[in-house]
Amino acid sequence: AQSVTQLGSHVSVSEGALVLLRCNYSSSVPPYLFWYVQYPNQGLQLLLKYTSAATLVKGINGFEAEFKKSETSFHLTKPSAHMSDAAEYFCAYTGGFKTIFGAGTRLFVKA
Amino acid sequence: EAEVAQSPRYKITEKSQAVAFWCDPISGHATLYWYRQILGQGPELLVQFQDESVVDDSQLPKDRFSAERLKGVDSTLKIQPAELGDSAMYLCASSPGNSGGAMGADTQYFGPGTRLTVL
Repeated sequence: AQSVTQLGSHVSVSEGALVLLRCNYSSSVPPYLFWYVQYPNQGLQLLLKYTSAATLVKGINGFEAEFKKSETSFHLTKPSAHMSDAAEYFCAYTGGFKTIFGAGTRLFVKA
Repeated sequence: EAEVAQSPRYKITEKSQAVAFWCDPISGHATLYWYRQILGQGPELLVQFQDESVVDDSQLPKDRFSAERLKGVDSTLKIQPAELGDSAMYLCASSPGNSGGAMGADTQYFGPGTRLTVL
């Protein structure tokens, strides 16, 4: 069965520190992979997506993610956290027509 | 910039009552999705439309939930009767849906959601 696992429901970093949010997927078909961000009481907004082109994908707000087929991973990184990055982040996988979301990781940024 | 519109933003109802949510996707988007997001969890797909046709409603509790997109534009999601466990955020999203076999690569554009509280 297809699934998306986000390791760590909460991640806390200091402002200026590296952000690393982990995502692993399981699938028997080539995936399309996405990272979305959700601010309180708002809908989701696309950060970046992998669609079988370059394995290193750059997104908005300085985020990037690397698709590693051998590890079935699509981890999200940002070199330097900003206070405005505090939000919930969702990894999503699409195989065929259906999109499956991970449970989310809430990012806290400390001053 | 075009956005997905949803109404109402908030809804409080008592159990056993009927509720309805409305979604207006980005103009020209063929695919429309309804998701349920329980607090602390990721969105779960309830129903997906391609134009006016249902593509996937395998997770829609059909004994109480219904969804329609009659003219392939806006959509309504209804719950009747509402139960306590239905309290959640209901998100609508749309995507162009014109990528043929690569539809899975479409970016989904989300509305602000409707937060439902059932008392």
